[in-house]
Amino acid sequence: EVQLVQSGAEVKKPGESLKISCKAFEYSFTVYWIGWVRQMPGKGLEWMGLVYPGDSDTRYSPSFQGQVTISADKSTNTAYLQWSSLQASDTAVYYCARRAFDDTGPMYFFDSWGQGTLVSVSS
Amino acid sequence: EIVMTQSPATLSASPGERVTVSCRASQSVGENLAWYQQKPGQPPRLLIYDASSRATGVPARFSGSGSGTEFALTINSLQSEDFAVYYCQVYKNWPPGITFGQGTRLDMK
Repeated sequence: EVQLVQSGAEVKKPGESLKISCKAFEYSFTVYWIGWVRQMPGKGLEWMGLVYPGDSDTRYSPSFQGQVTISADKSTNTAYLQWSSLQASDTAVYYCARRAFDDTGPMYFFDSWGQGTLVSVSS
Repeated sequence: EIVMTQSPATLSASPGERVTVSCRASQSVGENLAWYQQKPGQPPRLLIYDASSRATGVPARFSGSGSGTEFALTINSLQSEDFAVYYCQVYKNWPPGITFGQGTRLDMK
């Protein structure tokens, strides 16, 4: 069974750095793009970016470009989302998700999701 | 950037009823639209892709329709477990981007 298992909840102070993870199980990690999606408290879903673990190619939403770094380590089947300096407005649940793939290549939707990582930033 | 507009924002219905959620795209996306269901405290779950194809394990009471800029998700004979938030989603090749609708909350009347 395909699984994406995310790291646990984090409580941080403004200005601190953070790296959260998403470990993939039971599929070929290097073939599928992994996306990150933010959900602020009581709000909708916002796409942040994508990473292709096969060659670490990344794509960012303009809203998040320069604000976060997305990466992947194919030796450990793990994708990452990191911040160098957190702000209170980064408080949210962050989901990783696998971009679906078929015979023609990557598709446009996500077919498997991690359980989410709650990041709380407060002084 | 493609803008997705879902309506209504909130929908109240009773078990057994049929409901429809709409999603409009600011430009044509063909049939490249997906629908997700999200329950409180859970990640989203893929329901529909390619506008009308049900994902694995999704009950037949869920159906999708539409193409171009107008899409709909219909749930026939609502079950208690269907009360959730529903999102539509599209993708643009260049510049690459994924856009979600703002969500429709389906509440029990």
